[in-house]
Amino acid sequence: AQSVSQHNHHVILSEAASLELGCNYSYGGTVNLFWYVQYPGQHLQLLLKYFSEDPLVKGIKGFEAEFIKSKFSFNLRKPSVQWSDTAEYFCAVRGNTDKLIFGTGTRLQVFP
Amino acid sequence: GAGVSQSPSNKVTEKGKDVELRCDPISGHTALYWYRQSLGQGLEFLIYFQGNSAPDKSGLPSDRFSAERTGGSVSTLTIQRTQQEDSAVYLCASSLSPGNNYEQYFGPGTRLTVT
Repeated sequence: AQSVSQHNHHVILSEAASLELGCNYSYGGTVNLFWYVQYPGQHLQLLLKYFSEDPLVKGIKGFEAEFIKSKFSFNLRKPSVQWSDTAEYFCAVRGNTDKLIFGTGTRLQVFP
Repeated sequence: GAGVSQSPSNKVTEKGKDVELRCDPISGHTALYWYRQSLGQGLEFLIYFQGNSAPDKSGLPSDRFSAERTGGSVSTLTIQRTQQEDSAVYLCASSLSPGNNYEQYFGPGTRLTVT
């Protein structure tokens, strides 16, 4: 069965700090991988996606993620966070079915 | 263009009552998905439609949950005899087509509270 683990449940950073949120998945076949973001009071939005091209994926707002197949990982990174990045971040995988399997989410708080 | 819309945005119901949640996908999107977001549980898949048929209902938690889609567009999720553990945010998503290379666009959700 497919599953996704997000190891960081709550991350607190100061503005300009670097960010890395972990995501590991379990599925042996071809995968699509996603990071979604949910800003306070808003609905889920796609941040970036991996669809079998370059393993280093660039998304919106300066975010990027690297797919490392050997580690079954798809960690999210940003070199310098802003207060406006305060949100909940969800990693998701799609394997041999059409549904998305989500991790439990990471709550990021950025203080000015 | 319009995104995925859901109604109502909030629903408070008494235990044992039936509720109906509605989803309007993006026009032209053939695939429609329902998920549930519970505190501490993250997002769980419930059911997926391709057109009006549901190839995957594996996430529906019990036979109190059902969903239908008509005209390849609007979908309703019905929960019968609601229980307190049904309290959650119910999210709908749509995509242009199922399968690889199509991303899912999410609606704002319906927050269901069962008292």
